Amino acid sequence: DVKVTQSSRYLVKRTGEKVFLECVQDMDHENMFWYRQDPGLGLRLIYFSYDVKMKEKGDIPEGYSVSREKKERFSLILESASTNQTSMYLCASSLLAHHGTDTQYFGPGTRLTVL
Amino acid sequence: RKEVEQDPGPFNVPEGATVAFNCTYSNSASQSFFWYRQDCRKEPKLLMSVYSSGNEDGRFTAQLNRASQYISLLIRDSKLSDSATYLCVVNGGSNYKLTFGKGTLLTVNP
Repeated sequence: DVKVTQSSRYLVKRTGEKVFLECVQDMDHENMFWYRQDPGLGLRLIYFSYDVKMKEKGDIPEGYSVSREKKERFSLILESASTNQTSMYLCASSLLAHHGTDTQYFGPGTRLTVL
Repeated sequence: RKEVEQDPGPFNVPEGATVAFNCTYSNSASQSFFWYRQDCRKEPKLLMSVYSSGNEDGRFTAQLNRASQYISLLIRDSKLSDSATYLCVVNGGSNYKLTFGKGTLLTVNP
């Protein structure tokens, strides 16, 4: 079974703090993704990566950065957290780079609250 | 037209009912289509892919109409365990990004 894990289920941070969300997958997948999910807005893609050290902006990259130093690990960084970044953050992975047909496997999510 | 648009719902149906979800997409170059299911407070999981010829998996049937840019999901003989949010998902066509609809909440009542 594919397993995607995220470092925290719940996180509470203060405005202006630097926040790191970690995601690890154990199936040697090439693609990794970060989404946020908000009521009424659905899932929106923040960033994705198709290879180590490669990254591409998704639909809402502003205020976020990412890091992929190892194939299995994809980190989302909020350089200076703001209240409008309070959300559920979901990491996903899929098998092959440049393949749109592959299933995306999601982690359990991190509910981030910024006070 | 929004990239992926679904019935807003919510749907409340009795056990045993047949329920249909509809979805439209705007990018005519889209090549891959899926239905994902998301249980309350859980992550989305693939329910089924959608093929041009239509496909069936037990009580679930998915249909694709490329000319109308329309996707559907039919659930027959609904079970309590079918209660979830159903997400219509479309591949952008030229890359491996997926675009998710906002989802339709289904509640199956005893």
